Amino acid sequence: AQSVTQLDSQVPVFEEAPVELRCNYSSSVSVYLFWYVQYPNQGLQLLLKYLSGSTLVKGINGFEAEFNKSQTSFHLRKPSVHISDTAEYFCAVTHYSGGGADGLTFGKGTHLIIQP
Amino acid sequence: NAGVTQTPKFQVLKTGQSMTLQCAQDMNHEYMSWYRQDPGMGLRLIHYSVGAGITDQGEVPNGYNVSRSTTEDFPLRLLSAAPSQTSVYFCASSYGAGITDTQYFGPGTRLTVL
Repeated sequence: AQSVTQLDSQVPVFEEAPVELRCNYSSSVSVYLFWYVQYPNQGLQLLLKYLSGSTLVKGINGFEAEFNKSQTSFHLRKPSVHISDTAEYFCAVTHYSGGGADGLTFGKGTHLIIQP
Repeated sequence: NAGVTQTPKFQVLKTGQSMTLQCAQDMNHEYMSWYRQDPGMGLRLIHYSVGAGITDQGEVPNGYNVSRSTTEDFPLRLLSAAPSQTSVYFCASSYGAGITDTQYFGPGTRLTVL
């Protein structure tokens, strides 16, 4: 079984400051990792994903994440946030079970609050 | 392309009523899935389908039925609604089996069961 833990339910940050949203996962097999963003009253959008290769993954809107297998982490970072980054961020994991994907397992989400 | 569409956007039901949440996509995606989102719980997978005629259960399937008669549509049925099914429901689709392919989410259906 796989699981995802997002360590912070809420992260307040001042505008133009850097931010890190933490995500840890557990799985007994190789995993694929994702970060999604949900703006108010909207569905989820993919920010970035790690499938294989370079452990530093760059996504949309200036976000990046680093896969750390030894720490079982996939933290999301942005060097300078904007008011428009205020949203809920979800870390998710899936693995290939031979017959197909079993769907994504999501963390509980981190609410990023940007303060002017 | 309209992407992933869901209807209705809002629905209020009484306990015991039945209804169908509609989901459609016009991207010719094989993989479709339903999630529910509850406060502090993230999204949890209800059912998914890897192609027309094929469905399977996710993490929280009880109380929900699905069918996939066409590639485009993946309706979610509540046979006898319960207050515990009050939630926001998201439909998602992707070209492949959802591993390397980006999943596209619909705007959601907010369901309240009284």
